[in-house]
Amino acid sequence: KAGVTQTPRYLIKTRGQQVTLSCSPISGHRSVSWYQQTPGQGLQFLFEYFSETQRNKGNFPGRFSGRQFSNSRSEMNVSTLELGDSALYLCASSLLEGGSTDTQYFGPGTRLTVL
Amino acid sequence: AQTVTQSQPEMSVQEAETVTLSCTYDTSESDYYLFWYKQPPSRQMILVIRQEAYKQQNATENRFSVNFQKAAKSFSLKISDSQLGDAAMYFCAYSKLLGGKLIFGQGTELSVKP
Repeated sequence: KAGVTQTPRYLIKTRGQQVTLSCSPISGHRSVSWYQQTPGQGLQFLFEYFSETQRNKGNFPGRFSGRQFSNSRSEMNVSTLELGDSALYLCASSLLEGGSTDTQYFGPGTRLTVL
Repeated sequence: AQTVTQSQPEMSVQEAETVTLSCTYDTSESDYYLFWYKQPPSRQMILVIRQEAYKQQNATENRFSVNFQKAAKSFSLKISDSQLGDAAMYFCAYSKLLGGKLIFGQGTELSVKP
């Protein structure tokens, strides 16, 4: 099976712009979670989607949003970019049969740089 | 709130030797999952091992094994016969039984000396 894929792999934006990141889960996986990784804050949970519904949300401002499509692919959007949004954004997918937690498998990440 | 703590920012091991990475966590839940993930310089997060809290038996995966002490809320990773390819950042992570949210520790950077 193909792994989790994320596009694009690298992005450079300027402050005030918005950005959309995409994630395709492993085939058959219905849950997608997003994480932000920075040297200062480490790995922080952004949100989780299951069957097109946001099930969990981390402690991030409303500028961070996401959605999931019927084929389980997910996108996250960051509006009005700030310098502090520069990070590696990781997507993870899991089976989540019956709603119970299952192992999350990660994509290669999208490296976002905000100038 | 649940927390995960890795108190060793860096560790070093000689090739073919054994090394143990420490992790402690805090939770009021009785059932949960614990994970060790590896992140090499490529930044791809790779699952190393998983432990279900309701299982008393420690998980093992080839050269990787854990020492899960539920009462002490401790979850250490032992790497036997260390290889150069084991050099990476290792993250301990916790998730509730019904959650989908991973809580990560700060990471331990492991270097392997030839």
